[in-house]
Amino acid sequence: QLQLQESGPGLVKPSETLSLTCTVSGGSITNNNYYWGWIRQAPGKGLEWIGSIHFSGGTYYQSSLKNRLTESVDTAKNQFFLKLTSVTAADTAVYYCVSHRFRDGNFETYYFDYWGQGAPVTVSS
Amino acid sequence: QSALTQPPSASGSPGQSVTISCTGSSGDVGGYNYVSWYQQRPGKAPKLIIFDVSGRPSGVPVRFSGSKSGNTASLTVSGLQAEDEADYYCSSYSGIDNHWVFGGGTKLTVL
Repeated sequence: QLQLQESGPGLVKPSETLSLTCTVSGGSITNNNYYWGWIRQAPGKGLEWIGSIHFSGGTYYQSSLKNRLTESVDTAKNQFFLKLTSVTAADTAVYYCVSHRFRDGNFETYYFDYWGQGAPVTVSS
Repeated sequence: QSALTQPPSASGSPGQSVTISCTGSSGDVGGYNYVSWYQQRPGKAPKLIIFDVSGRPSGVPVRFSGSKSGNTASLTVSGLQAEDEADYYCSSYSGIDNHWVFGGGTKLTVL
Protein backbone atom coordinates (compact mmCIF):
# COMPACT_ATOMS: atom_id res chain seq x y z
CA GLN A 1 0.00 0.00 0.00
CA LEU A 2 1.05 3.56 -0.56
CA GLN A 3 3.05 5.45 2.03
CA LEU A 4 3.60 9.19 1.91
CA GLN A 5 6.08 11.26 3.91
CA GLU A 6 6.31 15.03 4.07
CA SER A 7 9.58 16.86 4.63
CA GLY A 8 10.59 20.50 4.84
CA PRO A 9 11.26 23.37 7.23
CA GLY A 10 9.01 23.64 10.26
CA LEU A 11 9.51 27.40 10.57
CA VAL A 12 9.12 29.98 7.80
CA LYS A 13 9.38 33.76 8.12
CA PRO A 14 6.51 35.99 7.02
CA SER A 15 6.67 37.01 3.34
CA GLU A 16 9.00 34.11 2.54
CA THR A 17 8.29 30.88 0.65
CA LEU A 18 7.04 27.67 2.23
CA SER A 19 8.48 24.62 0.47
CA LEU A 20 7.51 21.02 1.19
CA THR A 21 8.39 17.70 -0.39
CA CYS A 22 6.29 14.54 -0.34
CA THR A 23 8.04 11.22 -0.97
CA VAL A 24 5.84 8.38 -2.17
CA SER A 25 6.69 4.74 -1.51
CA GLY A 26 4.85 1.48 -2.07
CA GLY A 27 3.71 2.57 -5.52
CA SER A 28 4.55 4.74 -8.50
CA ILE A 29 3.70 8.39 -8.75
CA THR A 30 2.98 7.68 -12.44
CA ASN A 31 -0.03 5.54 -11.47
CA ASN A 32 -2.73 6.97 -13.74
CA ASN A 33 -5.46 6.40 -11.13
CA TYR A 34 -4.12 9.20 -8.97
CA TYR A 35 -3.53 12.86 -8.53
CA TRP A 36 -1.16 13.86 -5.72
CA GLY A 37 -2.46 16.47 -3.35
CA TRP A 38 -1.89 18.73 -0.39
CA ILE A 39 -4.33 19.39 2.42
CA ARG A 40 -3.70 21.61 5.43
CA GLN A 41 -5.16 22.01 8.89
CA ALA A 42 -4.69 25.20 10.86
CA PRO A 43 -4.39 24.79 14.65
CA GLY A 44 -7.73 23.75 16.09
CA LYS A 45 -9.42 24.05 12.71
CA GLY A 46 -10.77 21.84 9.97
CA LEU A 47 -9.27 20.47 6.78
CA GLU A 48 -8.61 22.62 3.71
CA TRP A 49 -7.77 21.21 0.29
CA ILE A 50 -4.86 23.20 -1.20
CA GLY A 51 -4.31 21.64 -4.59
CA SER A 52 -3.58 18.47 -6.55
CA ILE A 53 -1.27 17.53 -9.40
CA HIS A 54 -1.16 14.72 -11.96
CA PHE A 55 2.20 13.16 -12.83
CA SER A 56 1.82 14.67 -16.31
CA GLY A 57 1.92 18.11 -14.69
CA GLY A 58 -1.75 19.03 -14.81
CA THR A 59 -2.83 20.91 -11.70
CA TYR A 60 -5.91 21.90 -9.74
CA TYR A 61 -5.42 24.72 -7.24
CA GLN A 62 -7.59 26.18 -4.49
CA SER A 63 -8.82 29.49 -5.91
CA SER A 64 -7.88 31.51 -2.85
CA LEU A 65 -4.27 30.29 -3.04
CA LYS A 66 -3.61 29.98 -6.76
CA ASN A 67 -1.72 33.28 -7.03
CA ARG A 68 0.82 32.06 -4.46
CA LEU A 69 0.85 28.32 -5.11
CA THR A 70 2.99 26.10 -7.29
CA GLU A 71 2.93 22.32 -7.29
CA SER A 72 5.34 20.12 -9.20
CA VAL A 73 6.35 16.50 -9.51
CA ASP A 74 9.59 14.55 -10.01
CA THR A 75 8.72 11.14 -11.42
CA ALA A 76 12.33 9.92 -11.24
CA LYS A 77 12.41 10.47 -7.48
CA ASN A 78 8.76 9.54 -6.89
CA GLN A 79 8.25 12.89 -5.20
CA PHE A 80 5.94 15.85 -5.49
CA PHE A 81 6.33 19.35 -4.14
CA LEU A 82 4.48 22.34 -2.73
CA LYS A 83 5.64 25.95 -2.89
CA LEU A 84 3.57 28.69 -1.29
CA THR A 85 4.96 32.20 -1.58
CA SER A 86 4.45 35.34 0.50
CA VAL A 87 3.32 33.41 3.56
CA THR A 88 1.61 34.99 6.55
CA ALA A 89 0.59 33.73 9.97
CA ALA A 90 -2.63 32.51 8.36
CA ASP A 91 -0.60 29.85 6.56
CA THR A 92 0.47 28.28 9.85
CA ALA A 93 -0.88 24.73 9.74
CA VAL A 94 -0.12 21.04 9.57
CA TYR A 95 0.38 20.23 5.90
CA TYR A 96 -0.58 16.74 4.72
CA CYS A 97 0.38 15.20 1.43
CA VAL A 98 -2.21 12.78 0.11
CA SER A 99 -2.91 10.36 -2.68
CA HIS A 100 -5.96 11.72 -4.50
CA ARG A 101 -7.70 8.89 -6.33
CA PHE A 102 -9.69 9.92 -9.41
CA ARG A 103 -10.21 6.61 -11.19
CA ASP A 104 -11.16 3.13 -10.07
CA GLY A 105 -11.05 0.76 -13.02
CA ASN A 106 -13.32 2.28 -15.64
CA PHE A 107 -15.11 4.49 -13.14
CA GLU A 108 -14.49 8.08 -12.13
CA THR A 109 -14.15 8.66 -8.42
CA TYR A 110 -12.64 11.25 -6.09
CA TYR A 111 -11.26 10.65 -2.62
CA PHE A 112 -8.09 10.98 -0.57
CA ASP A 113 -7.09 7.45 0.38
CA TYR A 114 -3.55 7.66 1.80
CA TRP A 115 -2.22 10.45 3.95
CA GLY A 116 1.23 11.40 5.18
CA GLN A 117 1.72 11.87 8.89
CA GLY A 118 1.62 15.65 8.47
CA ALA A 119 4.27 18.37 8.54
CA PRO A 120 3.69 21.18 11.06
CA VAL A 121 4.67 24.55 9.62
CA THR A 122 4.75 27.76 11.64
CA VAL A 123 4.99 31.16 10.01
CA SER A 124 6.74 33.49 12.42
CA SER A 125 9.65 35.88 12.54
CA GLN B 1 -16.23 29.26 6.76
CA SER B 2 -16.34 25.73 5.37
CA ALA B 3 -18.07 24.97 2.10
CA LEU B 4 -19.96 22.02 3.62
CA THR B 5 -21.93 22.30 6.85
CA GLN B 6 -21.57 19.73 9.64
CA PRO B 7 -22.81 19.88 13.23
CA PRO B 8 -19.87 20.73 15.52
CA SER B 9 -20.62 17.87 17.88
CA ALA B 10 -22.47 14.58 18.21
CA SER B 11 -22.63 11.98 20.94
CA GLY B 12 -24.00 8.60 21.87
CA SER B 13 -23.61 5.80 24.34
CA PRO B 14 -21.78 2.56 23.58
CA GLY B 15 -23.89 0.31 21.40
CA GLN B 16 -26.10 3.13 20.13
CA SER B 17 -26.17 4.58 16.60
CA VAL B 18 -25.21 8.14 15.70
CA THR B 19 -25.71 9.95 12.41
CA ILE B 20 -23.65 12.96 11.32
CA SER B 21 -24.97 15.19 8.52
CA CYS B 22 -23.05 17.08 5.85
CA THR B 23 -24.97 19.70 3.89
CA GLY B 24 -23.75 21.26 0.69
CA SER B 25 -25.36 22.42 -2.53
CA SER B 26 -26.34 21.16 -5.94
CA GLY B 27 -22.84 22.12 -7.10
CA ASP B 28 -21.14 19.65 -4.81
CA VAL B 29 -22.90 17.09 -2.56
CA GLY B 30 -26.17 17.18 -4.47
CA GLY B 31 -24.67 17.05 -7.92
CA TYR B 32 -22.13 14.26 -7.60
CA ASN B 33 -21.73 10.92 -5.83
CA TYR B 34 -18.23 11.85 -4.75
CA VAL B 35 -18.79 12.35 -1.04
CA SER B 36 -16.14 10.91 1.26
CA TRP B 37 -15.75 10.79 5.03
CA TYR B 38 -12.61 10.88 7.17
CA GLN B 39 -11.96 9.97 10.78
CA GLN B 40 -9.29 11.91 12.65
CA ARG B 41 -8.11 10.89 16.08
CA PRO B 42 -6.20 13.46 18.19
CA GLY B 43 -2.73 14.12 16.90
CA LYS B 44 -3.16 11.77 13.94
CA ALA B 45 -3.67 12.14 10.21
CA PRO B 46 -7.21 11.70 8.91
CA LYS B 47 -8.22 8.24 7.71
CA LEU B 48 -10.62 7.50 4.85
CA ILE B 49 -13.69 5.60 6.08
CA ILE B 50 -16.28 6.16 3.33
CA PHE B 51 -15.87 7.02 -0.36
CA ASP B 52 -18.31 7.66 -3.19
CA VAL B 53 -21.15 8.28 -0.69
CA SER B 54 -21.38 4.72 0.63
CA GLY B 55 -18.28 2.77 -0.35
CA ARG B 56 -16.21 1.35 2.47
CA PRO B 57 -12.46 0.78 2.10
CA SER B 58 -11.05 -2.59 3.04
CA GLY B 59 -10.53 -2.82 6.79
CA VAL B 60 -13.16 -0.26 7.78
CA PRO B 61 -15.77 -1.85 10.06
CA VAL B 62 -19.25 -2.37 8.62
CA ARG B 63 -20.52 -0.27 11.53
CA PHE B 64 -19.65 2.75 9.41
CA SER B 65 -22.09 3.51 6.61
CA GLY B 66 -22.81 6.45 4.35
CA SER B 67 -25.80 7.75 2.43
CA LYS B 68 -27.05 10.83 0.60
CA SER B 69 -30.35 12.55 0.00
CA GLY B 70 -30.45 15.70 -2.09
CA ASN B 71 -27.77 18.13 -0.94
CA THR B 72 -27.16 16.33 2.36
CA ALA B 73 -24.88 13.37 2.96
CA SER B 74 -24.85 11.37 6.17
CA LEU B 75 -22.44 9.15 8.07
CA THR B 76 -23.96 6.62 10.45
CA VAL B 77 -21.92 4.85 13.09
CA SER B 78 -23.81 1.85 14.45
CA GLY B 79 -22.96 -0.03 17.61
CA LEU B 80 -20.83 2.81 18.94
CA GLN B 81 -17.53 1.83 20.51
CA ALA B 82 -15.18 3.90 22.65
CA GLU B 83 -12.60 3.83 19.86
CA ASP B 84 -15.02 5.70 17.57
CA GLU B 85 -14.48 8.88 19.57
CA ALA B 86 -12.82 11.20 17.06
CA ASP B 87 -13.39 14.11 14.69
CA TYR B 88 -15.22 13.28 11.46
CA TYR B 89 -14.97 15.29 8.25
CA CYS B 90 -16.98 15.05 5.06
CA SER B 91 -15.62 16.05 1.69
CA SER B 92 -17.08 16.44 -1.78
CA TYR B 93 -16.04 17.24 -5.28
CA SER B 94 -17.30 20.65 -6.37
CA GLY B 95 -17.99 20.79 -10.07
CA ILE B 96 -18.44 24.57 -10.09
CA ASP B 97 -14.72 25.15 -10.03
CA ASN B 98 -13.08 21.70 -10.04
CA HIS B 99 -12.32 21.93 -6.34
CA TRP B 100 -12.59 19.57 -3.44
CA VAL B 101 -14.29 20.93 -0.34
CA PHE B 102 -14.53 19.83 3.28
CA GLY B 103 -17.01 20.25 6.07
CA GLY B 104 -15.97 21.94 9.29
CA GLY B 105 -15.81 18.65 11.16
CA THR B 106 -17.91 16.96 13.85
CA LYS B 107 -16.51 15.90 17.18
CA LEU B 108 -18.06 12.55 18.12
CA THR B 109 -18.12 11.78 21.83
CA VAL B 110 -18.88 8.31 23.15
CA LEU B 111 -20.55 8.83 26.49
